[in-house]
Amino acid sequence: DGGITQSPKYLFRKEGQNVTLSCEQNLNHDAMYWYRQDPGQGLRLIYYSQIVNDFQKGDIAEGYSVSREKKESFPLTVTSAQKNPTAFYLCASTTGQGPSEVAELFFGEGSRLTVL
Amino acid sequence: RKEVEQDPGPFNVPEGATVAFNCTYSNSASQSFFWYRQDCRKEPKLLMSVYSSGNEDGRFTAQLNRASQYISLLIRDSKLSDSATYLCVVNKVGGYSTLTFGKGTMLLVSP
Repeated sequence: DGGITQSPKYLFRKEGQNVTLSCEQNLNHDAMYWYRQDPGQGLRLIYYSQIVNDFQKGDIAEGYSVSREKKESFPLTVTSAQKNPTAFYLCASTTGQGPSEVAELFFGEGSRLTVL
Repeated sequence: RKEVEQDPGPFNVPEGATVAFNCTYSNSASQSFFWYRQDCRKEPKLLMSVYSSGNEDGRFTAQLNRASQYISLLIRDSKLSDSATYLCVVNKVGGYSTLTFGKGTMLLVSP
């Protein structure tokens, strides 16, 4: 079955540690995204990538880093520079690409990060 | 004005009721509009796209008013299974297009 797989589902980390969240898709989608969701808040865009070896900052990129070495993979690293990392992280992908083309976003099941 | 603004909710309705959600967006150049549904502690899933002419999918009807920059979602004959948070989503214009999500409106349908 095609889809997006995020891991781990739950993650605990100590302050000052970096952590990497995995996102893999087998939908052959070009565009991939990382969103963060806090309780009672909407999804906020962290980073996105329209094509392999290219990515752009979203609205809240500070304290995060990404890579896009393969079409199917878009890992997110939450660094110690991120002041409030405890959140629900969602990875998504879509076929749409280009300035005005927007297609349905398919989401992974999310990763819940808690900083102790 | 926030990019995408929704009724905060929660909306508590009995089974069988009709409920309407409203959403406003700030950028008049936005071209793509969606409603997503998010169950508690789950990922969002597309409920329906919103077209200028309005569109219906079973018990769900979406409307777009470009002049007022307003989107609505109407749910008729509410079911218990409709209980979820409904997210209004609008494309963000400028550079490569991305999607901006509203905070969502929670719906609770009771027996």
